[in-house]
Amino acid sequence: NAGVTQTPKFQVLKTGQSMTLQCAQDMNHNSMYWYRQDPGMGLRLIYYSASEGTTDKGEVPNGYNVSRLNKREFSLRLESAAPSQTSVYFCATGQGFVGYTFGSGTRLTVV
Amino acid sequence: AQKITQTQPGMFVQEKEAVTLDCTYDTSDQSYGLFWYKQPSSGEMIFLIYQGSYDEQNATEGRYSLNFQKARKSANLVISASQLGDSAMYFCAMRGAGSNYKLTFGKGTLLTVNP
Repeated sequence: NAGVTQTPKFQVLKTGQSMTLQCAQDMNHNSMYWYRQDPGMGLRLIYYSASEGTTDKGEVPNGYNVSRLNKREFSLRLESAAPSQTSVYFCATGQGFVGYTFGSGTRLTVV
Repeated sequence: AQKITQTQPGMFVQEKEAVTLDCTYDTSDQSYGLFWYKQPSSGEMIFLIYQGSYDEQNATEGRYSLNFQKARKSANLVISASQLGDSAMYFCAMRGAGSNYKLTFGKGTLLTVNP
């Protein structure tokens, strides 16, 4: 089925560890996005990629890096995890005014 | 800059009744889109309905309708004949041509449908 695949679904990290969240889409969309969701805060944009080869900061980029590997894949890296990065992370893809399609989310806990 | 405001942190409705979830927005874009998403307790984000800024009629999708009042910058979601399965978090979001098509979300409204 067409959609967005995120891995892993759950992760526990120790403070200072690094990890990469993977996202792949098979909808042939140019734009891909990483959001984080925290209680009472809605979804906030971390980084986005409007097309292959380009990335831009969103609302809350500090502590994260991204790579748009190709049109299908957009990864999010935490170089040195902090407890404040405990959150649920969503990858999404969309084009023009079509509604986004979201991945199933990654629940990350940093202890 | 775009901003979405959802002023109802939580709402309760009786099964089979209608409910309106409020959403106001702010943008300087002339062309934009408004969206509602549902997030059940399982966590996935489910697209419900879309309204374009130039659409003259309110969008409808089954039991969902969007009450779009452009002059008031409001885009309220109306759910008719509520069902127990409608209990979820609901997010209003917008996307403007001037923002590189990024979606900006409100903080959400938690709807509880009582039997």
